[in-house]
Order: sequence, then structure tokens, then C-alpha cells
Amino acid sequence: GQQVMQIPQYQHVQEGEDFTTYCNSSTTLSNIQWYKQRPGGHPVFLIQLVKSGEVKKQKRLTFQFGEAKKNSSLHITATQTTDVGTYFCAGRNSGNTPLVFGKGTRLSVIA
Amino acid sequence: KAGVTQTPRYLIKTRGQQVTLSCSPISGHRSVSWYQQTPGQGLQFLFEYFSETQRNKGNFPGRFSGRQFSNSRSEMNVSTLELGDSALYLCASSLAGVNTGELFFGEGSRLTVL
Repeated sequence: GQQVMQIPQYQHVQEGEDFTTYCNSSTTLSNIQWYKQRPGGHPVFLIQLVKSGEVKKQKRLTFQFGEAKKNSSLHITATQTTDVGTYFCAGRNSGNTPLVFGKGTRLSVIA
Repeated sequence: KAGVTQTPRYLIKTRGQQVTLSCSPISGHRSVSWYQQTPGQGLQFLFEYFSETQRNKGNFPGRFSGRQFSNSRSEMNVSTLELGDSALYLCASSLAGVNTGELFFGEGSRLTVL
């Protein structure tokens, strides 16, 4: 079945450093979504990418969808303590298939 | 607009018992998905319902079941509980039908099996 791998599992950064998490699918995806889960909270939708090679920005966050639609990345520039949490990617195959989540990358930011 | 509501928020059961969890989606949302979240495994897909029909089912044993009602509210049931069923069970609703739409998650039901 479809698998979504995400690396790294954990990342500790100093405040102000950059952070990147990578997502790879075993199959071609129709779209990919990113979610953030704060400690003790529930996942909250950040963005959806649909097109091959698509790049979207939200302030300090940059999201990319690979040309082959099998990988994606989230890059945070100049991390802040408010960025702390676990970032999940989630992808769907073409067709009527469920959204499959990666295991997430837990980001810690040291002030 | 009210968010996704899950009840109960916390519960403790013993091995062998059964449990029913409830999820009320955002008004107007017809799609409901359930996920199991554990520290080591992340979010694992359980079921997806759309207009009272189970559209997809994850790789969980038959002890895990679910249903959706005509008002889009959903329930999931776990019978013959095992210690490994201890987890946060998350329900998510979405507006759209096939292959689109962000998920709106509830706060989850945290199940502890003793």
C-alpha cells in the first residue's frame, strides 16, 4: 500500500536557524498536504500542493512539491519559538484513496 | 462555526472491554475520517466515511469498526480492547468529496487501556 516517509524524525535548532523536513512517497501523489501539531494539540492544516514542481510560501515557510509528485519539503527560515511542534506531510494517490500521513518531524527551538 | 467535536475526551478501560467514540463534524461537512495516533507510529488511517458510506478502510483488525449517520456524525467502536489500543483517536471532517479538501481535526479522544 501507499507509504509516506518523512525525515528527520526530530530536529533541534537554535532560534534563528533554518529548518527543513522532507517527505517521500512510494507512489505518485495527486496532492500533498502539510499539517502542524503543537504539543498537546491536534493537527492543523497548513497548505495543499497540487501541481508538479509547485512552490508556495507562507511568511517564513516555503513548501515544495517535487517534479515527479513523489516528494515534498517544508523549509522554515529563521525559526522562532512559536514554530515548535510536529510537522506532518500527508498525501493522496490519484483516485478515491485516503490521506496517508508521514510520521512527522518534531521541531524543538532553543531560545 | 463550531469545530469538530469528539467525545469523550479521555477514557480509561481495561483489557477485553469495548469502547465507542463519537465525532460530530463541522456543520456542512459530509466526509469524516478517523486516525489513531501513537508516539511511535504517527497518524495511522482507520476509516473514511462519506454520506453514510465507508469509502476507505485502513489496515486495522476487525475489532475496529465505525459508522456514519445521516446527520454526518460518526462513531467508531473498538471491541475486545488490548493494551496496544491505547492511543489518541482523532476524527477529522472535510467539505469535499473525492481526492480534495483539507482535514479539520477534533481535539481527539485519549484512550488508555489497563
